[in-house]
Amino acid sequence: EVQLVESGGGAVQVGGSLRLSCVGSGFTFDDYTMHWVRQAPGKGLEWVSLINWDNDRIYYGDSVKGRFTISRDNSKNSLFLQMNSLRIEDTALYYCVKGYSSLTVDYFDFWGQGALVIVSS
Amino acid sequence: QSVLTQPPSASGTPGQRVTISCSGASSNIGGNTVNWYQQLPGTAPKLLISSNDHRPSGVPDRFSGSKSGTSASLAISGLQSEDEADYYCASWDDGLNGWVFGGGTKLTVL
Repeated sequence: EVQLVESGGGAVQVGGSLRLSCVGSGFTFDDYTMHWVRQAPGKGLEWVSLINWDNDRIYYGDSVKGRFTISRDNSKNSLFLQMNSLRIEDTALYYCVKGYSSLTVDYFDFWGQGALVIVSS
Repeated sequence: QSVLTQPPSASGTPGQRVTISCSGASSNIGGNTVNWYQQLPGTAPKLLISSNDHRPSGVPDRFSGSKSGTSASLAISGLQSEDEADYYCASWDDGLNGWVFGGGTKLTVL
């Protein structure tokens, strides 16, 4: 059974930093692209970042570019999100998401339960 | 403002068929596949439809997806109370080099 468990969420002040972690199990972690997707309270889903299996392909959403850094440690089945210069609008539930992609298909097939980040002034 | 456009709400009575639309552009839906996600209240999203019209194992055949040009649709037939949830479409955007979501549609079963 695929499991994704996030940790590292919490409350931080504007301008502060936080590092989210996600441990995956039940699948061969280093075979898959991983993503972070967030959801502000009462709002919709927003894709944040992706990293492919060998760190060769890394992308960010415009709202976090230059402030967030995604990374992974395949030896520990772990995904990370370093969040710097945090803003009020970064307040959200951050989901760790497993991707599935091939030449013809690409989608998010499993989601963690999320880590809550609250940024206050 | 989401890159993909969905109606904010939809509703139907048990047994009815409802359709949720998702409108995009040539850089996303027009050139890439569309996936749909269901988010039940208080839970993480779940993959509902992949690659425009493919149902993952375990998803009832009451759910179906389609795509035409720069738009996609999710249809739910034989509506049931447990279908009450938020539904999101998503696609890769070649111009943004990132994934884009619709704003979500809240489905109410009357």
